[in-house]
Amino acid sequence: NAGVTQTPKFRVLKTGQSMTLLCAQDMNHEYMYWYRQDPGMGLRLIHYSVGEGTTAKGEVPDGYNVSRLKKQNFLLGLESAAPSQTSVYFCASSSLSRGVETQYFGPGTRLLVL
Amino acid sequence: QQQVKQSPQSLIVQKGGISIINCAYENTAFDYFPWYQQFPGKGPALLIAIRPDVSEKKEGRFTISFNKSAKQFSLHIMDSQPGDSATYFCAASSGGYNKLIFGAGTRLAVHP
Repeated sequence: NAGVTQTPKFRVLKTGQSMTLLCAQDMNHEYMYWYRQDPGMGLRLIHYSVGEGTTAKGEVPDGYNVSRLKKQNFLLGLESAAPSQTSVYFCASSSLSRGVETQYFGPGTRLLVL
Repeated sequence: QQQVKQSPQSLIVQKGGISIINCAYENTAFDYFPWYQQFPGKGPALLIAIRPDVSEKKEGRFTISFNKSAKQFSLHIMDSQPGDSATYFCAASSGGYNKLIFGAGTRLAVHP
C-alpha cells in the first residue's frame, strides 16, 4: 500500500518547455488535487478532480492543465513552462465520505524553471 | 486575498514548553478546520482537525481551540519535543469536495 506517489521527484526545465507530472494513488479515493507550495504562501490549489473523467479549476489554475483518465491517476501538465512556475508541487487524494475528509499527500515534485 | 491568516511565521520553543499557533478566517461557510504537519522534504500530513460544533479537540499533546464568534482557531502543542520541529499549516474548507484553503505556515523549532 504505497498511498500517494508522484513522478518525477525533481525536474529542471527551460522556459517554454513542457512536462507532465504524474500522481498515482492506491486508496481508491474519488477526489484528487494538485497544489503548489511556495515560501511564505502555504499550499495553493491548482486543479482538482472529483472523479474519473472530471476536472475543475482551483485558486491558481493559469498555465496548467490536468487530466483524470483513470481513477487512480491525476496528471498535471505545463504546456509552456515559465520561471514563475518554479515551485514544489504536491498531489493529494481524499475520500468522498462525509466525516473522512483527510487529504493524503504525496512526497512532492520539485520543479525548477530556468 | 488570503482567506486563512496564520501567525506567527516562525516560532522557537524550548523542549517541554507550549507551542501555540494561531489562525483566523473570514468565510463563515467554512465547516472543517484541519492542521497539517510537514517535515522537510516530505508532503504534509494531517495532525488533527475540528468542526465548528465543538470548541476544543485534544489528541495526545495536540489540542485545537476553536472560537466561532471570533473566527479564530489555534493549535497548542504541550510538552513540545525536538521531534515536533516542523512546519505547521492550518486550513479550512466548506461545502463538498474537501477543497482546502491553507494558511501560510509556521515553522516551529523546538530546542533541546
